[in-house]
Amino acid sequence: DAGVIQSPRHEVTEMGQEVTLRCKPISGHDYLFWYRQTMMRGLELLIYFNNNVPIDDSGMPEDRFSAKMPNASFSTLKIQPSEPRDSAVYFCASSSSARNTYEQYFGPGTRLTVT
Amino acid sequence: DQQVKQNSPSLSVQEGRISILNCDYTNSMFDYFLWYKKYPAEGPTFLISISSIKDKNEDGRFTVFLNKSAKHLSLHIVPSQPGDSAVYFCAPGDQGGSEKLVFGKGTKLTVNP
Repeated sequence: DAGVIQSPRHEVTEMGQEVTLRCKPISGHDYLFWYRQTMMRGLELLIYFNNNVPIDDSGMPEDRFSAKMPNASFSTLKIQPSEPRDSAVYFCASSSSARNTYEQYFGPGTRLTVT
Repeated sequence: DQQVKQNSPSLSVQEGRISILNCDYTNSMFDYFLWYKKYPAEGPTFLISISSIKDKNEDGRFTVFLNKSAKHLSLHIVPSQPGDSAVYFCAPGDQGGSEKLVFGKGTKLTVNP
């Protein structure tokens, strides 16, 4: 099992540019979560999907943020336009409701720096 | 409004001694509780969990205690080892809702040789 795969691992961009973060969940998992980690706010949930359908996007900070899950094996988190305050580590996680353990498996994260 | 509080940002213990990490929550709907461990430049990894029908769960050197009336849980690591040095997150959830977890801000544990 390859685990949750995220790309890129690091992203440096200039303010105003579009940023796209990518995630491949563990095969067979029906839940996918996007988190953001900052020193000030800790690990906060941005949005999550169940069977490719967005369930709760109340954590998405602004309209500049959008997320899609076109199929069970791929999801994107897009920031357009990016701002310096978006600098953070973004994690993707997946889980399986069939396991009944509520354990989420995290990817290695994408460290985003907006200058 | 923080639903999950880990009031100690950091904790330092000697190798071989006990580490106790604490977590308080406000949402009475939480009915399962997970602890995650995170090393630098890696994603969090699951460590141990407990459901609300229990007050203790043990897995090797790790034990989690749950006090529902006080809305408090703790993670005990004994004996502590230098490899346990990491950030530990408390993450409760609500079975009635979904697979969503609410993470505390974490406690950085340092185990000194």
